Amino acid sequence: QLQLQESGPWLVKPSETLSLTCTVSSGSVSSRTYYWGWIRQPPGKGLEWIGTIYYSGSTYYNPSLKSRLTISVDTSKNQFSLRLSSVTAADTAVYYCTRQDGNYHDYWGQGTLVTVSS
Amino acid sequence: QSALTQPPSASGSPGQSVTISCTGTSSDVGGYNSVSWYQHHPGKAPKLLTYEVSKRPSGVPDRFSGSKSGNTASLTVSGLQAEDEADYYCCSYAGSNNWVFGGGTKLTVL
Repeated sequence: QLQLQESGPWLVKPSETLSLTCTVSSGSVSSRTYYWGWIRQPPGKGLEWIGTIYYSGSTYYNPSLKSRLTISVDTSKNQFSLRLSSVTAADTAVYYCTRQDGNYHDYWGQGTLVTVSS
Repeated sequence: QSALTQPPSASGSPGQSVTISCTGTSSDVGGYNSVSWYQHHPGKAPKLLTYEVSKRPSGVPDRFSGSKSGNTASLTVSGLQAEDEADYYCCSYAGSNNWVFGGGTKLTVL
């Protein structure tokens, strides 16, 4: 059974960069069939698609985050990562990594709460 | 891109059926047969319920069914059970390698 696990700092200061890594087990980020995604949920709000990456490194970003966002993949470690720069309190959220099969997300990590605060 | 519109809440008694709507535009819901629905129990990972409008992954009960008409997609939960109480989100492909979620609907089983 495919498993995804998010990791990274739970507290980030305003204006700094939020960095998270998703480790994939019982599956491969090098798969040519699937994409890998990031989704977040601010407290009390709905889900928001952040971005998606393919094993080749092709990336697709939410236009509202594009200027601050970098998603990368490390096939040697079977991981993919998220970097969001110049964060504010509005970036406080539970961040999920997912496996994306075309236009839907069939496997999700448990999520990690990242708080932006000084 | 704007979030898809879902009612904030829905409710039904055990055994009843409830339908949750998800309204978008011709640029997302209406333009593609790429709507998916997710069930989210707080504190847990969201779970895929339906994809490509009406397909169900293996293991998802047939009590959950998806449909679409024009710019509005719907999720129907039949034979409501206590464990169906959760938040439900729709998601649609919005073109140009973009995806958009709905604001979520909190389903209460009375």
